[in-house]
Amino acid sequence: QKEVEQNSGPLSVPEGAIASLNCTYSDRGSQSFFWYRQYSGKSPELIMFIYSNGDKEDGRFTAQLNKASQYVSLLIRDSQPSDSATYLCAVNIGYNTDKLIFGTGTRLQVFP
Amino acid sequence: DTAVSQTPKYLVTQMGNDKSIKCEQNLGHDTMYWYKQDSKKFLKIMFSYNNKELIINETVPNRFSPKSPDKAHLNLHINSLELGDSAVYFCASSQDFRAGVTDTQYFGPGTRLTVL
Repeated sequence: QKEVEQNSGPLSVPEGAIASLNCTYSDRGSQSFFWYRQYSGKSPELIMFIYSNGDKEDGRFTAQLNKASQYVSLLIRDSQPSDSATYLCAVNIGYNTDKLIFGTGTRLQVFP
Repeated sequence: DTAVSQTPKYLVTQMGNDKSIKCEQNLGHDTMYWYKQDSKKFLKIMFSYNNKELIINETVPNRFSPKSPDKAHLNLHINSLELGDSAVYFCASSQDFRAGVTDTQYFGPGTRLTVL
């Protein structure tokens, strides 16, 4: 079983819609959860992180964490064509370590 | 100003050669990392250093040797390059891995290595 799973997509949404990206993880001891955006040929860029159950909002982005279900998601409101990229979910698997386990990413396409 | 920088950006070389990739960060961070992203875009950690001390050493061939001359620099030397080493190598840094759940990693622009 993969440690961090994401649907590879592509997820296609129209401009202005809400894009919902999902991620599940296998290690119950995981402490913190990160969403990175990666444009083609570029490096991963941190969008936001979350470590407490519930929602965390930052501008058009909302991260949601449910540790009981081992599930983390990213909502992008008012999606723009410039949001078209691959979104990587990363999980910090334990205490006193910065070992991030990445999912394979979900490709998002926002069409005008 | 670039926060995490890597050189070179592209590296094309023959099998069997030895090559190095350099990374520098000007964020004042204590922890630095090397990641490998393969052709399927899967990103996997290789090594991490905290203030020149090796912290994470994943299962990578011992042809890969990291070196941290100071906490702002982390280099990666690869001996006897093989076809399977072709990938994009990313350097990253974070404030301090002991900072706990809020410690976040920032990535450099990557080095695309092609082994012919």
